[in-house]
Amino acid sequence: AQRVTQPEKLLSVFKGAPVELKCNYSYSGSPELFWYVQYSRQRLQLLLRHISRESIKGFTADLNKGETSFHLKKPFAQEEDSAMYYCALKAGNQFYFGTGTSLTVIP
Amino acid sequence: SAVISQKPSRDICQRGTSLTIQCQVDSQVTMMFWYRQQPGQSLTLIATANQGSEATYESGFVIDKFPISRPNLTFSTLTVSNLSPEDSSIYLCSVGGGGAYNEQFFGPGTRLTVL
Repeated sequence: AQRVTQPEKLLSVFKGAPVELKCNYSYSGSPELFWYVQYSRQRLQLLLRHISRESIKGFTADLNKGETSFHLKKPFAQEEDSAMYYCALKAGNQFYFGTGTSLTVIP
Repeated sequence: SAVISQKPSRDICQRGTSLTIQCQVDSQVTMMFWYRQQPGQSLTLIATANQGSEATYESGFVIDKFPISRPNLTFSTLTVSNLSPEDSSIYLCSVGGGGAYNEQFFGPGTRLTVL
């Protein structure tokens, strides 16, 4: 069965420090993985997707099929990165979301 | 991208009543999705609404409690029936995930509080 696990419910880092939000998945097929972000009082929006191999707002995420992980990383956290982050797995036409990690960047 | 609006943005309802949430998309889409986001929890898919056919419900969700309409390719409604305090949640409409889109786009959500 499909499953997405985000082990950290809350994560706090200081401004300028590196940040890593963990995501592990379980899926028998070829995974498509995404990170979504929800800033305070805003709607859920796509941050990045693994197939694009892009860096958005300084964030990157590498799909590691061996470890079944898709961790989100940023070398230097900014205050505006404070938000709720969801890892999502696309299986067929459906998306499965992790429970989310609330990131707080301390000034 | 798709622009999605939802009505109402929030509501407070009495136990035993029903609330119908509307979702409007600015383009024609085949599949629309309804999610629930309970306090402190992740998004849970309620059902997939396809135009011209019955909605497909996920395990734990039934049509009697969450009837869905999909009259055309830009609109859908979700009704939450016979409300109880446990139904207090944010309900999200979403489109995409297939065809031209590779990701899902979300509406702003409807915050429901049941007294």
